Amino acid sequence: KAGVTQTPRYLIKTRGQQVTLSCSPISGHRSVSWYQQTPGQGLQFLFEYFSETQRNKGNFPGRFSGRQFSNSRSEMNVSTLELGDSALYLCASTRDSQTTDTQYFGPGTRLTVL
Amino acid sequence: AQSVTQLGSHVSVSEGALVLLRCNYSSSVPPYLFWYVQYPNQGLQLLLKYTSAATLVKGINGFEAEFKKSETSFHLTKPSAHMSDAAEYFCAVTTTSGGSYIPTFGRGTSLIVHP
Repeated sequence: KAGVTQTPRYLIKTRGQQVTLSCSPISGHRSVSWYQQTPGQGLQFLFEYFSETQRNKGNFPGRFSGRQFSNSRSEMNVSTLELGDSALYLCASTRDSQTTDTQYFGPGTRLTVL
Repeated sequence: AQSVTQLGSHVSVSEGALVLLRCNYSSSVPPYLFWYVQYPNQGLQLLLKYTSAATLVKGINGFEAEFKKSETSFHLTKPSAHMSDAAEYFCAVTTTSGGSYIPTFGRGTSLIVHP
């Protein structure tokens, strides 16, 4: 079974631009969560999508948004990029939206904002 | 509110020595606790999880953790370190309320294994 894939793996943008990251979950998994990982703040939960609906949201500004498609693939969008948005963005999929389900993480997209 | 504290951003051990990575949590409701490992340029991989069953949880690669409610701890141990254990380790807690959850991760502990 293929794992969680994220594209692109690396991205360089400039301040003020917007960016879209993509995540394909493991086949059969309906829940996709997104995380931001930085040296300063560690791993922080962005949001979770389940069956095309945002189920949970972390404490991030509205510039961070996402969506999920009917095939469970998810995209995350960041508008008006700031230098502080430079981070590794990880997505994780689970079979459904249960707290005890194992999350399977993708390798991440490393975003650099110049 | 929930939080996770991992004591020590770096832990250094010799190959063959005991590995002990500390995790303390705070949660207003019974927690679910997890340990993840992250190798360079990779995502996180689940090592083990506590979901209110046995308090001693065995995971992959010889790791185990014990849930101690009185100490609000969930420390990760391995009897004998291997060079391949060198990685970043994260403790995480999630709590459920009304069917939704937000996971909280610790800042991570980098395990260094000396030959």
